[in-house]
Amino acid sequence: DQQVKQNSPSLSVQEGRISILNCDYTNSMFDYFLWYKKYPAEGPTFLISISSIKDKNEDGRFTVFLNKSAKHLSLHIVPSQPGDSAVYFCAARGGGADGLTFGKGTHLIIQP
Amino acid sequence: GAGVSQSPSNKVTEKGKDVELRCDPISGHTALYWYRQSLGQGLEFLIYFQGNSAPDKSGLPSDRFSAERTGGSVSTLTIQRTQQEDSAVYLCASSNPNQPQHFGDGTRLSIL
Repeated sequence: DQQVKQNSPSLSVQEGRISILNCDYTNSMFDYFLWYKKYPAEGPTFLISISSIKDKNEDGRFTVFLNKSAKHLSLHIVPSQPGDSAVYFCAARGGGADGLTFGKGTHLIIQP
Repeated sequence: GAGVSQSPSNKVTEKGKDVELRCDPISGHTALYWYRQSLGQGLEFLIYFQGNSAPDKSGLPSDRFSAERTGGSVSTLTIQRTQQEDSAVYLCASSNPNQPQHFGDGTRLSIL
């Protein structure tokens, strides 16, 4: 039973536009959420995070929004750049586990 | 560099053989995690070490899997009597408490 779900396996966005990646979770005990970016043959790289007591966190072109009542978070990238093309993983901490619980990832493709 | 280092980067072995995977965490990080990523899946938590405490082995899929962390630094993940379903990328991460995990580039394990 997947506790963190990324329902879009892939997303194609034009360069310069906004990319919105979505993530849903089921475990209300998660207390911290993270987004990781992964290039082929490399390990995931930490991008941005948000505590469950906040609803927004911004870092440059990246903003993460958390809607606790809907158990939903999203990552906004604006403006999108070619180097943003990668697989993005949503991850959650807590819920009784010591490790992070990951979604299956969304492959973001930025088109010129 | 000063990142998480994993070796080997690739390992091909025959079904039934034992394999050892190595992880050198970031110096000073007290927490160390092992995950695996099977094809088309998200990262699956395997085991967690924190300082000198007993490890959390709750994610290990079977008793063929074991891990140790010597001197609070280097860790080895051992898979005995490998099966084809063990084929995956095995990722190691390290962190300090309440900080994002930093990942190595993984070991791609292929069981023939």
